Amino acid sequence: DTEVTQTPKHLVMGMTNKKSLKCEQHMGHRAMYWYKQKAKKPPELMFVYSYEKLSINESVPSRFSPECPNSSLLNLHLHALQPEDSALYLCASSQGVTPSSNEQFFGPGTRLTVL
Amino acid sequence: KQEVTQIPAALSVPEGENLVLNCSFTDSAIYNLQWFRQDPGKGLTSLLLIQSSQREQTSGRLNASLDKSSGRSTLYIAASQPGDSATYLCAVTRRGGSEKLVFGKGTKLTVNP
Repeated sequence: DTEVTQTPKHLVMGMTNKKSLKCEQHMGHRAMYWYKQKAKKPPELMFVYSYEKLSINESVPSRFSPECPNSSLLNLHLHALQPEDSALYLCASSQGVTPSSNEQFFGPGTRLTVL
Repeated sequence: KQEVTQIPAALSVPEGENLVLNCSFTDSAIYNLQWFRQDPGKGLTSLLLIQSSQREQTSGRLNASLDKSSGRSTLYIAASQPGDSATYLCAVTRRGGSEKLVFGKGTKLTVNP
């Protein structure tokens, strides 16, 4: 299995809702990433998990809360989002974070709309 | 601060043409460079990864080169097809932070039948 899967594909939520995005990979990768991508822009890194520990938080607002329950799963919990948080949220994974192991493989993304 | 630039921002070619996409980066202290393809509203597909010690990588009709000293990479697509239409992104990982990709803004390629 050489795939990164993400659910749901689309999500519409109100500003008071709580929802979660899910990401899964079965490639034995030990690093997982969350990115945010606005239209016609490149992806922006949000969080990096390495061996199930948060290694990078790119000063992301606390209304986004990542979780890595095990080496195959990565969640992004959403609460009290703003309309400007509407974007494509991409998950990626790599074997590791060293230069020889950091080739990243991306999932299809979750299209999030905040009303 | 590492900056990645891709020129042109958009490119339209007839089917069958060979083409080159350009990527430049300001800090030559990179670990590697990765080329991706992105279809509208979809995730990124990894095409090629070149380590800083390598000069080029090939996969099928794609060939990516890297000149680290001049801060440049090119993606060569041979015999382009309408199915190659997509946005192509390059990204580098810098020394001191190999888990962080710094992306260019991409080149939107349209191959006309």
